[in-house]
Amino acid sequence: IAGITQAPTSQILAAGRRMTLRCTQDMRHNAMYWYRQDLGLGLRLIHYSNTAGTTGKGEVPDGYSVSRANTDDFPLTLASAVPSQTSVYFCASSESAGEPTYEQYFGPGTRLTVT
Amino acid sequence: LAKTTQPISMDSYEGQEVNITCSHNNIATNDYITWYQQFPSQGPRFIIQGYKTKVTNEVASLFIPADRKSSTLSLPRVSLSDTAVYYCLVGDIWASDTNAGKSTFGDGTTLTVKP
Repeated sequence: IAGITQAPTSQILAAGRRMTLRCTQDMRHNAMYWYRQDLGLGLRLIHYSNTAGTTGKGEVPDGYSVSRANTDDFPLTLASAVPSQTSVYFCASSESAGEPTYEQYFGPGTRLTVT
Repeated sequence: LAKTTQPISMDSYEGQEVNITCSHNNIATNDYITWYQQFPSQGPRFIIQGYKTKVTNEVASLFIPADRKSSTLSLPRVSLSDTAVYYCLVGDIWASDTNAGKSTFGDGTTLTVKP
């Protein structure tokens, strides 16, 4: 399978619980990203990584953490979920970082509902 | 941080050319302009990217005036399958200044192609 896989597809989570959204790519891309998309709105960048071992904060990082232990995996963790984190979460990757042409490839998304 | 503004929705008919304009008055010198297409329940898909003047690929053209404060995505001879949300993205996640991690997806333009 080529591309980006995300798990789970959807999840209902009680407020206060911890949750890790998984993202794996098999394209050997250096850069990876996490976005959230609220209903009817555009995507907002949560965290990003330009290579294994390094991460950076996007526009809306509060309440989320990421790690990049290797090239392929980029999990997103909600330490203590709140209802405002109800959203669709998209993971993406691009071949390289720091260059002008960074076409991003997106995964199918994880629909998270926090109750 | 370049905030983008797009029309909320547009209607067209099969076979027509569609032009979607995105305003980005605060675009930075190093920012590229990228357009994505998103179908319901899917992640966005890259369409085209440019910095200035005109860029054309097999599916679209992108027109960028000299001042770069706006851009226009042109879709030639649309079909029903082009019905989707189109996002204009401006920014440089990899900037070395305070704009690092900032890339702005607007709220998108919902294009509806009618038979």
